Amino acid sequence: QLQLQESGPGLVKPSETLSLTCTVSGGSISSSSYYWGWIRQPPGKGLEWIGSIYYSGSTYYNPSLKSRVTISVDTSKNQFSLKLSSVTAADTAVYYCARLYETYYMDVWGKGTTVTVSS
Amino acid sequence: DIVMTQSPDSLAVSLGERATINCKSSQSVLYSSNNKNYLAWYQQKPGQPPKLLIYWASTRESGVPDRFSGSGSGTDFTLTISSLQAEDVAVYYCQQYYSTPPLYTFGQGTKLEIK
Repeated sequence: QLQLQESGPGLVKPSETLSLTCTVSGGSISSSSYYWGWIRQPPGKGLEWIGSIYYSGSTYYNPSLKSRVTISVDTSKNQFSLKLSSVTAADTAVYYCARLYETYYMDVWGKGTTVTVSS
Repeated sequence: DIVMTQSPDSLAVSLGERATINCKSSQSVLYSSNNKNYLAWYQQKPGQPPKLLIYWASTRESGVPDRFSGSGSGTDFTLTISSLQAEDVAVYYCQQYYSTPPLYTFGQGTKLEIK
């Protein structure tokens, strides 16, 4: 059974870079049918797609965040990662990683990790 | 960007009754070449990640009870719970995956409660 687990610091200072990793277990990140993505949810608010990556390294980013986002993949570790630079309080959210069937819907989600931006 | 608008924002339904949630997209998410609607529905319970319920607007994900159904085409879609159970209390989101290159957008969510 495929599982995704987010990890990383729960507290980041303003202007610094948020870094999270998603570890995939129970399946291969190199599967040809899937993309891997990051989605976030500010407290009490809705869902915002951040970006997605294929195992080959091909990426898609939300234009609203593109200038600050980098998503990378490490197939040897079955992991993919998110870096979000120059964070502000508006980046405080629960960050989820998810598997996407091709470039379509998100069929498996991690449990999420809360990141707070505060000095 | 394709804007997804759900209605209502919140809904209270009695146990055993039907619940209906609507989702409207700012442009059609029907891909004419394959006649598929690029729309999914998710359920999010408090403190949990979203869970995929429906994709291609009407295909139920494996393991999802058959009281959940999706319908609609083009720009107007509906999620129906035929007989509300206590465990269905959640926030429901629609999401389009039509945009190319991908730019996934979600509705604002509909909070479903028991009356």
